[in-house]
Amino acid sequence: QKEVEQNSGPLSVPEGAIASLNCTYSDRGSQSFFWYRQYSGKSPELIMFIYSNGDKEDGRFTAQLNKASQYVSLLIRDSQPSDSATYLCAVNGNDMRFGAGTRLTVKP
Amino acid sequence: ETGVTQSPTHLIKTRGQQVTLRCSSQSGHNTVSWYQQALGQGPQFIFQYYREEENGRGNFPPRFSGLQFPNYSSELNVNALELDDSALYLCASSQTKLRSTDTQYFGPGTRLTVL
Repeated sequence: QKEVEQNSGPLSVPEGAIASLNCTYSDRGSQSFFWYRQYSGKSPELIMFIYSNGDKEDGRFTAQLNKASQYVSLLIRDSQPSDSATYLCAVNGNDMRFGAGTRLTVKP
Repeated sequence: ETGVTQSPTHLIKTRGQQVTLRCSSQSGHNTVSWYQQALGQGPQFIFQYYREEENGRGNFPPRFSGLQFPNYSSELNVNALELDDSALYLCASSQTKLRSTDTQYFGPGTRLTVL
């Protein structure tokens, strides 16, 4: 079983729609959770992090964490073509573990 | 811009050679982590240094080694290169030693190709 699992996609949504990205993790001791965006050929850039159960909003982005279910998600509202990228979920326990990423395409 | 720089941008080596990759962390960040990202995969943790001492290591063989210097720069050395070492190598800097909660900021990466 992979430690951090994401649906590889591709996930395709129309411009203006809500994109929903999901991630599950296996280490119950994990304490912090991160979403990174990675454009093709570029390095990951931090979108947001979440430590506590519940929702955390930052602009068009909302991260949701449920530690009991070992589940973290990212919602992108009003999706734009510029949001098209691979989204990496990262989970930090003793070390930062990344999922393989979900490729998102936002169609104009 | 994260303030983290890496050099070189691209590198081509042959199997069996040795390579040194360099990273300059954001000022004030005492921790640097190195990752290997193969095509289509997420980054994999190689090791982390805090104030010039190794502070954790992933599942990589000893031929992967590192150094961190007092001026916020660091190196990743890989000996006896193998074809599977071809990947994007990323360094990430963060402020504290607290690996459980600290936020990491990535450099642009070095693309290594081993022929």
